Amino acid sequence: EIVLTQSPGTLSLSPGERATLSCRASQSVSSSYLAWYQQKPGQAPRLLIYGASSRATGIPDRFSGSGSGTDFTLTISRLEPEDFAVYYCQQYGSSPRSITFGQGTRLEIK
Amino acid sequence: QVQLVQSGAEVKKPGASVKVSCKASGYTFTGYYMHWVRQAPGQGLEWMGWINPNSGGTNYAQKFQGRVTMTRDTSISTAYMELSRLRSDDTAVYYCARDWMVRGLEDWGQGTLVTVSS
Repeated sequence: EIVLTQSPGTLSLSPGERATLSCRASQSVSSSYLAWYQQKPGQAPRLLIYGASSRATGIPDRFSGSGSGTDFTLTISRLEPEDFAVYYCQQYGSSPRSITFGQGTRLEIK
Repeated sequence: QVQLVQSGAEVKKPGASVKVSCKASGYTFTGYYMHWVRQAPGQGLEWMGWINPNSGGTNYAQKFQGRVTMTRDTSISTAYMELSRLRSDDTAVYYCARDWMVRGLEDWGQGTLVTVSS
């Protein structure tokens, strides 16, 4: 089973700054099957990025994803107040459509 | 628009079972796999498994095999997740989520809080 490790655990930044979140897989992952989510307190997660780099419907272009193999990155170019939340990466595994999530990165206001 | 509406909060005793429903609307229910994901208080997301609403086929995470059963009723576009032999560490918010063609979980229910307490 592939393990996804996100870093850092917590990231403290100010509005307007750039955020870089990392997701590392224990084995190579197909980029087609790597997604990122945002979750705010009391809400369900929201799909941000699919296929490692494609934005989901309605996601602002300040969010971007990149990476391949075992290393993937979510970048938020200029933080808005509403971007402070927890972010999860997710991959589809070999057991048909099985899913693994990373443990999450909390993005907090500095 | 796609909507997934889940049943309300439950309080159960250890050893009991719980069945959570997820009513879908706004799309062809049988066209998309439905996953179940849970989140314990203050913790991350944990995948439980999926059901193919068209065939009824399922795939459960190994951790839950033998305790979880996912079913569906296509006549009312509703998916169900039943978890048996509940323990206190099953206390969590349970989400259903629509799989967008293996691209990601595009739509989520509002979550159902299941509390297991004696």
